[in-house]
Amino acid sequence: GIQVEQSPPDLILQEGANSTLRCNFSDSVNNLQWFHQNPWGQLINLFYIPSGTKQNGRLSATTVATERYSLLYISSSQTTDSGVYFCAVGPSNSGYALNFGKGTSLLVTP
Amino acid sequence: SAVISQKPSRDICQRGTSLTIQCQVDSQVTMMFWYRQQPGQSLTLIATANQGSEATYESGFVIDKFPISRPNLTFSTLTVSNMSPEDSSIYLCSVSPSAVSQETQYFGPGTRLLVL
Repeated sequence: GIQVEQSPPDLILQEGANSTLRCNFSDSVNNLQWFHQNPWGQLINLFYIPSGTKQNGRLSATTVATERYSLLYISSSQTTDSGVYFCAVGPSNSGYALNFGKGTSLLVTP
Repeated sequence: SAVISQKPSRDICQRGTSLTIQCQVDSQVTMMFWYRQQPGQSLTLIATANQGSEATYESGFVIDKFPISRPNLTFSTLTVSNMSPEDSSIYLCSVSPSAVSQETQYFGPGTRLLVL
């Protein structure tokens, strides 16, 4: 199946810092989503972004489908940004189910 | 968007028993999915459940161990049968509201299962 690799696996930031999370995938996709799993385990959808660029407040994401990667940018990080960020892709030939990467664990310190 | 609830939110079970997890959606959806998240790990798809047809299981998951029901467009259940400590995980239900195009998937809050 399609491979999804996320980097870095762990990240510690001081409040106010910026960061970039990367997601590489091994095959063409027609669905790519970024999720934030908060410390209570709830998965929050951040972006549906199979291609192009989107922004939502301090977060933005870019997917370059032809080069098989996506980037999630977090600016002016806050302690509430802590948690695990997952990239999930839907392969072009397998319907709607998502393949998840291993995630980036982010800790933002005061 | 879709609002999803799961019951129970958490449970502690003895090995050899079974637990049925319920997933309720506030709107009719065609596609429902069940995922497992083992401690400290990513999410793994167990099966896809469409109303009116048998669930489709991913490699490594079988119907005898994880029977699924999908009686209507707003509800599904996942049973974890004959549990062992290795089944201790978070089990999550998700939905894809659109039947005609891929788009955002929404996840329930999860069911935290500990098997002793």
